[in-house]
Amino acid sequence: GAVVSQHPSWVICKSGTSVKIECRSLDFQATTMFWYRQFPKQSLMLMATSNEGSKATYEQGVEKDKFLINHASLTLSTLTVTSAHPEDSSFYICSAREGGRAKNIQYFGAGTRLSVL
Amino acid sequence: EDKVVQSPLSLVVHEGDTVTLNCSYEVTNFRSLLWYKQEKKAPTFLFMLTSSGIEKKSGRLSSILDKKELFSILNITATQTGDSAVYLCAVGEGGSEKLVFGKGTKLTVNP
Repeated sequence: GAVVSQHPSWVICKSGTSVKIECRSLDFQATTMFWYRQFPKQSLMLMATSNEGSKATYEQGVEKDKFLINHASLTLSTLTVTSAHPEDSSFYICSAREGGRAKNIQYFGAGTRLSVL
Repeated sequence: EDKVVQSPLSLVVHEGDTVTLNCSYEVTNFRSLLWYKQEKKAPTFLFMLTSSGIEKKSGRLSSILDKKELFSILNITATQTGDSAVYLCAVGEGGSEKLVFGKGTKLTVNP
């Protein structure tokens, strides 16, 4: 149980284009999903908290117009990197929080490696 | 500001050794501490600890929390090469859904 699917696993794009990353909870409903960014040999840095049916909450320093988050259903959240530039190249990971007794456990997707040329 | 510090940052051992990974934290309103194992991609959940002194165990892995001294340890006995990974510690704060992650301990188990 508690499987999170993230797609695509790797994407290469040209500078100036937009890229959409999907995060799905496959066997549970996730009212809250999280988007992280991970630099090489660094830990997970939270970018935003995505709540189903409402606007995402962004961490300080994260541009909401650049990283668009949509959480349209209890099993799907998307992150769109708009007008991507080489400095946006990174590893992006989503997680979903299962409700109930195990409320604070986040289950992670496999991550998306974004390379912007 | 909340802080989670893991030590050591990296560790190299031989198969069969026992290792102890450390995680200390400073949060305003502690709720839970979680351990994850990250191999090449997604962190996988290992343990969630909320109460002091109660050991959680899964096979060769075990973990315990000390809320008075604000730390947790993750023990791995009889290590195997498949235990090689980055082990992440994260702390959740009451009233927030967020987790604050440490930088991780990179464990390498050599045959």
